[in-house]
Amino acid sequence: AQSVTQLGSHVSVSEGALVLLRCNYSSSVPPYLFWYVQYPNQGLQLLLKYTSAATLVKGINGFEAEFKKSETSFHLTKPSAHMSDAAEYFCAVSPGGGGNTPLVFGKGTRLSVIA
Amino acid sequence: GAVVSQHPSWVICKSGTSVKIECRSLDFQATTMFWYRQFPKQSLMLMATSNEGSKATYEQGVEKDKFLINHASLTLSTLTVTSAHPEDSSFYICSARGAPELAWEQFFGPGTRLTVL
Repeated sequence: AQSVTQLGSHVSVSEGALVLLRCNYSSSVPPYLFWYVQYPNQGLQLLLKYTSAATLVKGINGFEAEFKKSETSFHLTKPSAHMSDAAEYFCAVSPGGGGNTPLVFGKGTRLSVIA
Repeated sequence: GAVVSQHPSWVICKSGTSVKIECRSLDFQATTMFWYRQFPKQSLMLMATSNEGSKATYEQGVEKDKFLINHASLTLSTLTVTSAHPEDSSFYICSARGAPELAWEQFFGPGTRLTVL
């Protein structure tokens, strides 16, 4: 079975500072990994995805994540936080191939950006 | 890109009434659709998985007679909350997965805010 652990339910950074949101996964098969962002009262927007190609994945809005199999991690980073990055972030895992198996989500991390 | 829509985006209803939420894949055929609910400041909780033309598979603890799911076509799934009560108030999100070339990705709708008075 797959599972996702997001360390820190709330992360607060200053504008211009590094953003680091942590995600660890467990999976019995090579996983596909995703980061989504959710703004208040909106659905989920895909930030980036890892699907067994390059381990360093670049996404939208300047975010990137690195897949580290030895650490079973897929942490999300952004060099310089923007006020508009304040939102809820979800890490998700799927067994490779998709099919009928839904994504398994972490509990989410709320990112606050302080001016 | 693949787009999923939901209608309505928000609905307020009286206790005891039924509410139908539609989820449509606009530019691809969705072989599988998923329904989630999300409580404030919490993660998404999977309610059920539906495949076109077959009965939905419900997660443990989700009442299938209360949350009726129909996936009648490759572009439309509906969730009907029957005899809604205030505790059913939540944010409902659908997602869709498409043909093999899209098989590994789920595309999410914008969500429907249900408030039961």
